[in-house]
Amino acid sequence: EAQVTQNPRYLITVTGKKLTVTCSQNMNHEYMSWYRQDPGLGLRQIYYSMNVEVTDKGDVPEGYKVSRKEKRNFPLILESPSPNQTSLYFCASSGTSGNSYEQYFGPGTRLTVT
Amino acid sequence: QKEVEQDPGPLSVPEGAIVSLNCTYSNSAFQYFMWYRQYSRKGPELLMYTYSSGNKEDGRFTAQVDKSSKYISLFIRDSQPSDSATYLCAMLLWGKLIFGTGTRLQVFP
Repeated sequence: EAQVTQNPRYLITVTGKKLTVTCSQNMNHEYMSWYRQDPGLGLRQIYYSMNVEVTDKGDVPEGYKVSRKEKRNFPLILESPSPNQTSLYFCASSGTSGNSYEQYFGPGTRLTVT
Repeated sequence: QKEVEQDPGPLSVPEGAIVSLNCTYSNSAFQYFMWYRQYSRKGPELLMYTYSSGNKEDGRFTAQVDKSSKYISLFIRDSQPSDSATYLCAMLLWGKLIFGTGTRLQVFP
């Protein structure tokens, strides 16, 4: 089954404790992206990657890091999480950046930072 | 001013009603116009897309784009309880998706 998977689905952590949210897709997609979703603000792009070893900032990259060492994986790293990073996070992928109107989303990771 | 504006709702309608969901946008350079549907505790999924002004139908769903007014709509005919979800409009500009905040729709039996 074609899908985007994220782990963990739920995470509660404390301020300053480094964490990684994994994302993996099995569709051989080149384009991958991370979003956060907050009430009243909608989905906002954090980082995106157009291919292996090619990443770029989205609209809200502060406090986040990413890496793209393999085509299928695109982990999101929070080096020193803060309470304002409490949010619902989605990973997404699409075939190419050109037709990225159709992005396939993972099930989401709900992160709480206390 | 946000690039994409969408009424957050919630919108509550009886089963069988015609639903109209709307977004306005400010950037005339947007290339594609999409509607994503998001069920509770799930990621968004693409419902419809279009790139030109006019209407596009898919079953009970019609997407409408008016580029001169910078306005897009999604119509749902004969709405069903299974249509209860959050509907997100989205626009594509040079490979980047920009989303509206979403409208929560509830269809009650």
